[in-house]
Amino acid sequence: DAKTTQPPSMDCAEGRAANLPCNHSTISGNEYVYWYRQIHSQGPQYIIHGLKNNETNEMASLIITEDRKSSTLILPHATLRDTAVYYCIVRDQGAQKLVFGQGTRLTINP
Amino acid sequence: NAGVTQTPKFQVLKTGQSMTLQCAQDMNHEYMSWYRQDPGMGLRLIHYSVGAGITDQGEVPNGYNVSRSTTEDFPLRLLSAAPSQTSVYFCASSYSGFRDRSTDTQYFGPGTRLTVL
Repeated sequence: DAKTTQPPSMDCAEGRAANLPCNHSTISGNEYVYWYRQIHSQGPQYIIHGLKNNETNEMASLIITEDRKSSTLILPHATLRDTAVYYCIVRDQGAQKLVFGQGTRLTINP
Repeated sequence: NAGVTQTPKFQVLKTGQSMTLQCAQDMNHEYMSWYRQDPGMGLRLIHYSVGAGITDQGEVPNGYNVSRSTTEDFPLRLLSAAPSQTSVYFCASSYSGFRDRSTDTQYFGPGTRLTVL
């Protein structure tokens, strides 16, 4: 699985959009980009995933660059409950496991 | 559905003791896995299973055993607990082991906090 690089921490004001970057420069054609988050030592929670096209669901949007070497998770209107560690994971569709890195600790400030 | 459940929530062991962490899911998921998370770290995969009767090792399997006799249950056994196994343990499950993109969301349990003295 390709490795990912994320900033260790970020801050965002409540009500603003939170944009979390992820670099995955060695990603291969069959590998998906997944995002999970972990709120205060709870079990990780799935957010979104994508292959090439941008994706949107009720939680977030995922923007993947055309060369697929980086992506951005967007929380459009961050709330205090979005404070968490966010993990960007790259995984082959045929692989059976997720490999977690250190993630980005996102703090939403009132 | 209860989702993924784990018992116990907390456990304290002495060095050398053995115990089993329980994990169950009621979503008929084929794929189940165990992770450990040390303070300030990401999750590391211990063992996983793609179906009943099939298990395989992850990144950090030493000191742990697993079995998968039913689709619902995936217990993790600590054979002889060591202080280095002090951690939070998470169980997870999903459909299809990621073969089907539309159903490959992985669901995590609430975790078991284990301290080995």
